Amino acid sequence: GDSVTQTEGLVTVTEGLPVMLNCTYQTAYSDVAFFWYVQYLNEAPKLLLRSSTDNKRTEHQGFHATLHKSSSSFHLQKSSVQLSDSALYYCALSEGGNYAQGLTFGLGTRVSVFP
Amino acid sequence: EAAVTQSPRSKVAVTGGKVTLSCHQTNNHDYMYWYRQDTGHGLRLIHYSYVADSTEKGDIPDGYKASRPSQENFSLILELASLSQTAVYFCASRTGGPYEQYFGPGTRLTVL
Repeated sequence: GDSVTQTEGLVTVTEGLPVMLNCTYQTAYSDVAFFWYVQYLNEAPKLLLRSSTDNKRTEHQGFHATLHKSSSSFHLQKSSVQLSDSALYYCALSEGGNYAQGLTFGLGTRVSVFP
Repeated sequence: EAAVTQSPRSKVAVTGGKVTLSCHQTNNHDYMYWYRQDTGHGLRLIHYSYVADSTEKGDIPDGYKASRPSQENFSLILELASLSQTAVYFCASRTGGPYEQYFGPGTRLTVL
């Protein structure tokens, strides 16, 4: 089946510096959509970014990600983090033609931003 | 904006007792999901449903049952709650196609 791998469990970063969260995936399907969700403390996960187009940069709230099917990656980046970016970030994929089963999530990466 | 609500928002249950978690969506979505969240395990799919009166097993269904009496409502039932079922439970809904899921606010369940 499909799988999503987030290699970092915890990323600590100083305010104002850049951050990149890794996301790689395995899927046998070509018709796939990708998502980044953000979850703040004691809140529900909510959508941050979505993409299904190869090599197209997607941006929202200062974050950006580019789907690279050649390397099976959908890394999340921000050029200058803020204290308010401290949260848990999930990468996920949706398999085309099997929407009923929902999204496949990675284990998540917790980002802690320090002053 | 899509709306998914859950009740209760938190619950303390006794081992061996029955627990029912409820989810309601007003999005007119066909698909609904129950996840549990534990530190180190991310979001794990328990049950899902793509039509009323039908449910499917997810990745970790043991110890849980689900019920979808209508398109809007989806319940998760723990017939005999156990300590290992202490977690935060999220309900989500989704429309067909390559689109995101919308999550409810979560229910924090503590089994003592």
